[in-house]
Amino acid sequence: KAGVTQTPRYLIKTRGQQVTLSCSPISGHRSVSWYQQTPGQGLQFLFEYFSETQRNKGNFPGRFSGRQFSNSRSEMNVSTLELGDSALYLCASSLYLTGANVLTFGAGSRLTVL
Amino acid sequence: AQKVTQAQTEISVVEKEDVTLDCVYETRDTTYYLFWYKQPPSGELVFLIRRNSFDEQNEISGRYSWNFQKSTSSFNFTITASQVVDSAVYFCALSEKGTSYGKLTFGQGTILTVHP
Repeated sequence: KAGVTQTPRYLIKTRGQQVTLSCSPISGHRSVSWYQQTPGQGLQFLFEYFSETQRNKGNFPGRFSGRQFSNSRSEMNVSTLELGDSALYLCASSLYLTGANVLTFGAGSRLTVL
Repeated sequence: AQKVTQAQTEISVVEKEDVTLDCVYETRDTTYYLFWYKQPPSGELVFLIRRNSFDEQNEISGRYSWNFQKSTSSFNFTITASQVVDSAVYFCALSEKGTSYGKLTFGQGTILTVHP
């Protein structure tokens, strides 16, 4: 059974550019969550999607957006990149939005903004 | 607001020693879940254990055990007979029914180094 797949694994962008990260959840999983990990702020919740609907959003500026497709795959976009956006972006999937379900994480997309 | 605190930033032990990672949490919700995740150098967060707020029974699973005490809002994790492969960053996390189960609040992490 394939795990959570995130692409690309590594990318370098310059300030002002935009970036799109992709996440393919485990087959059958309908919930996808995104997290940002930085040395200073640690792991912070970005958004959560279930059945193509954003169910929850973290405390991030509007430059951070996301969406989920009918096949549960998800993308997140960061526009007008800033140096502080350099981070490891982790995607996680689960079957449903219940506490009994454990989030399974992908290996992440490491974004470097120059 | 929910909060998770891992007071230990780094722990260094020698192989075969037991090590306990501390976690203290804050929540106003009565229904919540607590987790421990491990992050090896590859970056992927690996699920270790989960506990819900209604079950304070402490268990042992292989070399892992945990101590959940609602009275002190603590959820400590112990590795018995540590091995070099246990070296990683360990995160304690909390999810609440009132917020969303897809949203985990993580502690800052504890870097565990096990020396041969």
